[in-house]
Amino acid sequence: SQTIHQWPATLVQPVGSPLSLECTVEGTSNPNLYWYRQAAGRGLQLLFYSVGIGQISSEVPQNLSASRPQDRQFILSSKKLLLSDSGFYLCAWGTGTNEKLFFGSGTQLSVL
Amino acid sequence: GENVGLHLPTLSVQEGDNSIINCAYSNSASDYFIWYKQESGKGPQFIIDIRSNMDKRQGQRVTVLLNKTVKHLSLQIAATQPGDSAVYFCAESNNNAGNMLTFGGGTRLMVKP
Repeated sequence: SQTIHQWPATLVQPVGSPLSLECTVEGTSNPNLYWYRQAAGRGLQLLFYSVGIGQISSEVPQNLSASRPQDRQFILSSKKLLLSDSGFYLCAWGTGTNEKLFFGSGTQLSVL
Repeated sequence: GENVGLHLPTLSVQEGDNSIINCAYSNSASDYFIWYKQESGKGPQFIIDIRSNMDKRQGQRVTVLLNKTVKHLSLQIAATQPGDSAVYFCAESNNNAGNMLTFGGGTRLMVKP
């Protein structure tokens, strides 16, 4: 069966520090991969999605970047975090048909 | 589109009552709809989906109703339990948009004992 792993679960980082969040999927090949951000008590904001290795689409201009070095690995990065980068970050994967998304457990990022 | 900037509306129900969570969509070309449940501090979990060629689908204690005429989707939860307390998101997609899911703003369900 397919599983998605996302880590770390929580992260506290100072303003100006770098960020690297990792997401991996098991049990499927060539998934579509997504990064979402969710502010407290708010909806889901799509940040990036990828349909294949090295292929990244950005939905909103921001201080973050994404990379997909391997088929089932999706990384969210920042060179210098801002206070406004705080939030709950969710990785998800989909099959491309019907596009039902399966979400990871999320990373709660606090930038102080 | 994504209502990411809005505070979540809240539905408060008594334990044992039925809950109805509503969602409106704007794209008449949408042909696939999903409901997700998100508990505090966790990722959204799939509950039930429905295609546009159907108007009703039932799962365990949940029913999704689709009214394409008024572009309205609802999730009904029978005999609501404390464990149903969560935020519920609807999402839609259409074949012409590459099946990319568009999420609604979410509704917080609070179950009173």
